[in-house]
Amino acid sequence: EAGVTQFPSHSVIEKGQTVTLRCDPISGHDNLYWYRRVMGKEIKFLLHFVKESKQDESGMPNNRFLAERTGGTYSTLKVQPAELEDSGVYFCASSQDQGFSGYTFGSGTRLTVV
Amino acid sequence: GQNIDQPTEMTATEGAIVQINCTYQTSGFNGLFWYQQHAGEAPTFLSYNVLDGLEEKGRFSSFLSRSKGYSYLLLKELQMKDSASYLCAVRGGYNTDKLIFGTGTRLQVFP
Repeated sequence: EAGVTQFPSHSVIEKGQTVTLRCDPISGHDNLYWYRRVMGKEIKFLLHFVKESKQDESGMPNNRFLAERTGGTYSTLKVQPAELEDSGVYFCASSQDQGFSGYTFGSGTRLTVV
Repeated sequence: GQNIDQPTEMTATEGAIVQINCTYQTSGFNGLFWYQQHAGEAPTFLSYNVLDGLEEKGRFSSFLSRSKGYSYLLLKELQMKDSASYLCAVRGGYNTDKLIFGTGTRLQVFP
């Protein structure tokens, strides 16, 4: 089966611009998660979708971040306007049973805001 | 607060055994995961412990003691390809599905 796919793999944007990251989970996985790793820090949870509904968005840093999962398939994470501190690697993960058999991660999108 | 501690770096020799420790303090606990991550790649699931004891899977084993807030990942018969970061992550409770990660342990295996 295909894994979790994220694109772009890299993005360099200027402060104030908008960037949209995309995640395609494993087909049939209702649970989709976004995480972020800022340089030198640990991976931190952003939010969790169950199908198209936001189950937990307690990790979203502020209202410049907007996540959507229309139709319950792929998800997008938009950052608008981007700030320097948004730089990092954004990971997406999916699971079919709330992680009891493990979460499958994508390779991440490395975002650099200059 | 939520805290996961693991060593930043470790080195070992090919063919040897290495143990990577992880201690955690979280407001809840519903399982501990170990992931392997090679640079620029996706974290890959290695193991899951929710009950005390040892889980063995080939060359890799993982141990959990919930009373001590402690886990370790044991890698046997080390190979060069085992050079990677190893991430310890705790699922924080029954009402949440989010993982709390440590900063990861970078393991370098030398010939």
